[in-house]
Amino acid sequence: EVQLVESGGGLVQPGRSLRLSCTASGFTFGDYAMSWVRQAPGKGLEWVGFIRRKAFGGTAEYAASVKGRFTISRDDSKSIAYLQMNSLKTEDTAVYYCTRDYGGLPDYWGQGTLVTVSS
Amino acid sequence: QLVLTQSPSASASLGASVNLTCTLSSGHSSFPIAWHQQQPEKGPRYLMKLNNDGSHSKGDGIPDRFSGSSSGAERYLTISSLQSEDEADYYCQTWGTGIRVFGGGTKLTVL
Repeated sequence: EVQLVESGGGLVQPGRSLRLSCTASGFTFGDYAMSWVRQAPGKGLEWVGFIRRKAFGGTAEYAASVKGRFTISRDDSKSIAYLQMNSLKTEDTAVYYCTRDYGGLPDYWGQGTLVTVSS
Repeated sequence: QLVLTQSPSASASLGASVNLTCTLSSGHSSFPIAWHQQQPEKGPRYLMKLNNDGSHSKGDGIPDRFSGSSSGAERYLTISSLQSEDEADYYCQTWGTGIRVFGGGTKLTVL
């Protein structure tokens, strides 16, 4: 059974940093790209970014709203994807979901972790 | 620019059928999309991938009541024999080189 479990969310002050983790199980992690998607309170889904599998360079792409502040990385030996969030803004407050990326579409979702950016 | 447009809301009666629509932006009518469901207070769930020829492949455990079809730049999600648990937000999503895009979502109310 495919499982994705996010962790690392919490309350953080504007301008500070936070790192989220996504621990995967039930599939060969290194064979898939991984994405992060967020949802602000009462709003729709917003793509944050994704990281390619190592066979395709392991490089990452980002939404314009987070480019230069957020970094996605992966540790295939531990089956974990990370989202490093720097220079956080109040508008980054959201539930952050990790997804398995199957050729561009998220075919499995985690349960999400809440990030609140507030002073 | 790759954009997906959805109506904000839809409603249908218990036991009836409903069609939800997702429209691809100009120049992108051949793109496949995915449909995702988000029930209240839950995380999203992948429903299906829908190609421009109307062929579709569903996620694990998705009931036969859910189906998809396509016409030009329009992508449809049809839910038949509506049940109370189908009341949810439905998002379409697509992708290009280095980008993923979500529609704004449609809130489905089951009357």
